[in-house]
Amino acid sequence: QSVLTQPPSVSGAPGQRVTVSCTGSSSNIGADYDVHWYQQLPGTAPKLLIYANNNRPSGVPDRISGSKSGTSASLAITGLQAEDEADYYCQSYDTGLSAWVFGGGTKLTVL
Amino acid sequence: QVQLQESGPGLVKPSETLSLTCTVSGGSISSSNYNWGWIRQPPGKGLEWVGSIYYTGSTYYSPSLKSRVTISVDPSKKQFSLKLSSVTAADTAVYYCARQGSAGSDYWGQGTLVTVSS
Repeated sequence: QSVLTQPPSVSGAPGQRVTVSCTGSSSNIGADYDVHWYQQLPGTAPKLLIYANNNRPSGVPDRISGSKSGTSASLAITGLQAEDEADYYCQSYDTGLSAWVFGGGTKLTVL
Repeated sequence: QVQLQESGPGLVKPSETLSLTCTVSGGSISSSNYNWGWIRQPPGKGLEWVGSIYYTGSTYYSPSLKSRVTISVDPSKKQFSLKLSSVTAADTAVYYCARQGSAGSDYWGQGTLVTVSS
């Protein structure tokens, strides 16, 4: 059971918008710790997609965005493309555990 | 461009110690802005933070692995290492090393599969 809760799967048709939620608690996201998001394509290392809640590293398209509110965070992808099909993970810090924690991951399927 | 590369045995026997090294190139391991971490991923499962180290040697370990994990750093070789003792089949995973900062883990190694089996 992950400290950060993500839906196991989401799906959408090409061109559509999808969101991936990441629900935490008062000891991590709710304690004002930043949330980072990673994309993992099959057989590859995770890639940083969003850092510090809503910032995109260089090279990440602006159709990908992040937000945070209260004890939750969300990743949004608009204009869905086949290349977006991957696993997505959120990450934050938990002060109760004194540990960096990941969500369980969400598999995005492009229909 | 910072690059990280994991190295070490791909097969470890149960009850023995898993040892991996991460070599950093294209950047300084002694930067005050970063920790250097290990993350693992069992086959078909999600990511799990194992532990991290600062170039001065300060370490941070996952509570669930703390009794078995040791992470060390050698700035002169631009390397940091992971030792995980008393391994079982549950420790079979792809092990990644990564650079960790306030802006997330921005550089990762390609990962190395470690299988625990006799």
